[in-house]
Amino acid sequence: DSGVTQTPKHLITATGQRVTLRCSPRSGDLSVYWYQQSLDQGLQFLIQYYNGEERAKGNILERFSAQQFPDLHSELNLSSLELGDSALYFCASSETGRGKLFFGSGTQLSVL
Amino acid sequence: DQQVKQNSPSLSVQEGRISILNCDYTNSMFDYFLWYKKYPAEGPTFLISISSIKDKNEDGRFTVFLNKSAKHLSLHIVPSQPGDSAVYFCAASERGNKLVFGAGTILRVKS
Repeated sequence: DSGVTQTPKHLITATGQRVTLRCSPRSGDLSVYWYQQSLDQGLQFLIQYYNGEERAKGNILERFSAQQFPDLHSELNLSSLELGDSALYFCASSETGRGKLFFGSGTQLSVL
Repeated sequence: DQQVKQNSPSLSVQEGRISILNCDYTNSMFDYFLWYKKYPAEGPTFLISISSIKDKNEDGRFTVFLNKSAKHLSLHIVPSQPGDSAVYFCAASERGNKLVFGAGTILRVKS
């Protein structure tokens, strides 16, 4: 158990809808990262937050947004969903925002 | 732009033999490299790392080698065990910032 909690584990929705994925980092970790893994793809970095502030941005679509709250949990919001957004979304955390990451077990999103 | 490449999608090895997983990178500013292992229905878990000031790091059955001039790193698992069967991801970062991952290599260890 990495200590990183992601909910829900599975999400099935329709095109055009909006969903929210939630992540609770390990106790004491200030930084949260979001990654997307599509079929046969590696882990694509989406966005990183450190202590509530956005620190780095990757290949995140404009339809997607994230935030980190004062209690350090994070939410990834995906809107106007398309079939191609179906993927496994991972949250990870680290203590300092640098180096080794600890991953949650992911949220499997299926857009039908 | 794929900065970290794992060119072998899969590898099959006999139990007890050596498994060698390879990774190439293009960004010469990367200075910290990691390997993660992933089982189905679980998130990736950290395996071993190496900083660019070293060329080798060992942890039990796992050894990572870094060749900076070739921009290449490899993970050796000796001896391989059936429980090592998983997807292995190579990752790299610049000054510890966001990790860039490769596409992964599926390792199957046959008993």
